[in-house]
Amino acid sequence: KAGVTQTPRYLIKTRGQQVTLSCSPISGHRSVSWYQQTPGQGLQFLFEYFSETQRNKGNFPGRFSGRQFSNSRSEMNVSTLELGDSALYLCASSSGGTDRVNEQFFGPGTRLTVL
Amino acid sequence: AQKVTQAQTEISVVEKEDVTLDCVYETRDTTYYLFWYKQPPSGELVFLIRRNSFDEQNEISGRYSWNFQKSTSSFNFTITASQVVDSAVYFCATRISSGSARQLTFGSGTQLTVLP
Repeated sequence: KAGVTQTPRYLIKTRGQQVTLSCSPISGHRSVSWYQQTPGQGLQFLFEYFSETQRNKGNFPGRFSGRQFSNSRSEMNVSTLELGDSALYLCASSSGGTDRVNEQFFGPGTRLTVL
Repeated sequence: AQKVTQAQTEISVVEKEDVTLDCVYETRDTTYYLFWYKQPPSGELVFLIRRNSFDEQNEISGRYSWNFQKSTSSFNFTITASQVVDSAVYFCATRISSGSARQLTFGSGTQLTVLP
């Protein structure tokens, strides 16, 4: 099976702009979670989508949003970018079903730099 | 809320040495999972091991082994006969096992450097 793919891998934006990141989960997986990784805050959970619905949300401002399509692909959007949004954004895919374990498999991440 | 503490920020060992990475967790939940992930310079988080709170049996998988002790809320990870390719940041994480909350709570990570 192909792994989790994220595009683009690298992105440079300026303050005030908006950005959209994309994640394609492992085939058959219906859950996509997003995490932000920064040197200061470490790995933090942003949100999780399952069957096109947001199922969980972390403690991030409303500038961070996402959505999931019928094919389980997910996009994450950040509006009005701030310097502090510079981070590695990781997407994780899991089956999301009734399986208790629901192992999460991570993609390579998108490195966002805000200037 | 859950919390994971990895007190070791950086560890440096010489190839073939054994190395243990420490992890202490906090959770109010009675059922939960514990994980170790590896993050090489490429950035992708690679799943290593998982343990659920019901199973304190410690195991060995190849060069990896783990020591889960519920009494001290610790989930330590050992690499035996370390290799240069083991150099990476290692993250301990926890997640509750009930309900729909599937998010992982990560520790701050331990940078492991294995010198040739």
